Amino acid sequence: GAVVSQHPSWVICKSGTSVKIECRSLDFQATTMFWYRQFPKQSLMLMATSNEGSKATYEQGVEKDKFLINHASLTLSTLTVTSAHPEDSSFYICSASLGVFDGYTFGSGTRLTVV
Amino acid sequence: AQSVSQHNHHVILSEAASLELGCNYSYGGTVNLFWYVQYPGQHLQLLLKYFSGDPLVKGIKGFEAEFIKSKFSFNLRKPSVQWSDTAEYFCAVNAENYGQNFVFGPGTRLSVLP
Repeated sequence: GAVVSQHPSWVICKSGTSVKIECRSLDFQATTMFWYRQFPKQSLMLMATSNEGSKATYEQGVEKDKFLINHASLTLSTLTVTSAHPEDSSFYICSASLGVFDGYTFGSGTRLTVV
Repeated sequence: AQSVSQHNHHVILSEAASLELGCNYSYGGTVNLFWYVQYPGQHLQLLLKYFSGDPLVKGIKGFEAEFIKSKFSFNLRKPSVQWSDTAEYFCAVNAENYGQNFVFGPGTRLSVLP
């Protein structure tokens, strides 16, 4: 089945630095990937839709200059949290699908802690 | 805009008890419906999905869900839960005119006592 790999699984960074999170589709090509954020005890909130070869589509309220998304190939999308602040600490999850009828495969998530 | 609600924030059951988790959505058109499970420390996994046909859908691990269009509901059920079912359960909806995006419910935490 479809496998999505996310790296790193856990990262701690200092306030003001940038962090890059990778999302890879291991055995399929994904023209579209999604980035979600999950706050403790809350549901997933879509941040942006990552489209291979074009600009990402951001949800309302998500700062595109702060959360940079690059989908340079059919198997890799990256999310860079720039100038991170403690309030950016969260669980970030990516997902991709072979097609909507297959449901979605989620990465294992990245827990970001900004200190 | 679409929204998905889940009736219970936290459900506590004893092993062998029956389970029903409620899910309601607010969209009048054609929808695709999903239930995902997130076990402690693990990532989201698809439990079952509904696209069309028989409104009673069977998924993995003995779970099933029933789509009731008139009630905009897609409740998840299991006749006899096990301790290993302890997890967070998310209902998700994809609407026909909403592209590939999903709207997730807030989740229901299930704790099964041994």
